[in-house]
Amino acid sequence: GQNIDQPTEMTATEGAIVQINCTYQTSGFNGLFWYQQHAGEAPTFLSYNVLDGLEEKGRFSSFLSRSKGYSYLLLKELQMKDSASYLCAVSANQAGTALIFGKGTTLSVSS
Amino acid sequence: GAGVSQSPSNKVTEKGKDVELRCDPISGHTALYWYRQRLGQGLEFLIYFQGNSAPDKSGLPSDRFSAERTGESVSTLTIQRTQQEDSAVYLCASSITSGGFSDTQYFGPGTRLTVL
Repeated sequence: GQNIDQPTEMTATEGAIVQINCTYQTSGFNGLFWYQQHAGEAPTFLSYNVLDGLEEKGRFSSFLSRSKGYSYLLLKELQMKDSASYLCAVSANQAGTALIFGKGTTLSVSS
Repeated sequence: GAGVSQSPSNKVTEKGKDVELRCDPISGHTALYWYRQRLGQGLEFLIYFQGNSAPDKSGLPSDRFSAERTGESVSTLTIQRTQQEDSAVYLCASSITSGGFSDTQYFGPGTRLTVL
């Protein structure tokens, strides 16, 4: 079966660093995506990993270990506007198909 | 347009009525996806169109749900005889094609469907 797990909720304070973990078990693997979704809005693309290692993009970084079926999203210098849901999604089909999404992690940033 | 657009943004209907939801993908994107997001839940895949290939309908929850796409443009998701359990936000996404990074999906703002 296809399964993607991530924590339901996390809290952090402004200026801190937070790591959101994602583990996956899928029939295939063609890349892992992280999306950000603010309440009442559409998901927006944050990052894509297909090879092992760390991809850095400004305050956000994403890590992948294919052998462990594991990824994390690292958010640095947290700001209030980072309060949102963070969705982990896997492209599991080499031929291309819809992404398989986790249920999302709701991050609350407080001052 | 610059992004994926969907209409209507909100739809309130009575149980048993049919509804049509529309999606305009980003120009040039051959792949189009429909998802459903119930309150507090993750995105649930419904159907996927890729060019002129037969659509992947494996996510449709029942035969009350159907979707069409005209070429590589507009798609319509139809829900017949709506039930209260159909209440959700219906999200449409498009991507350049399928496979790898080009799977990056760009989402529309969604249609919030409420079935009374």
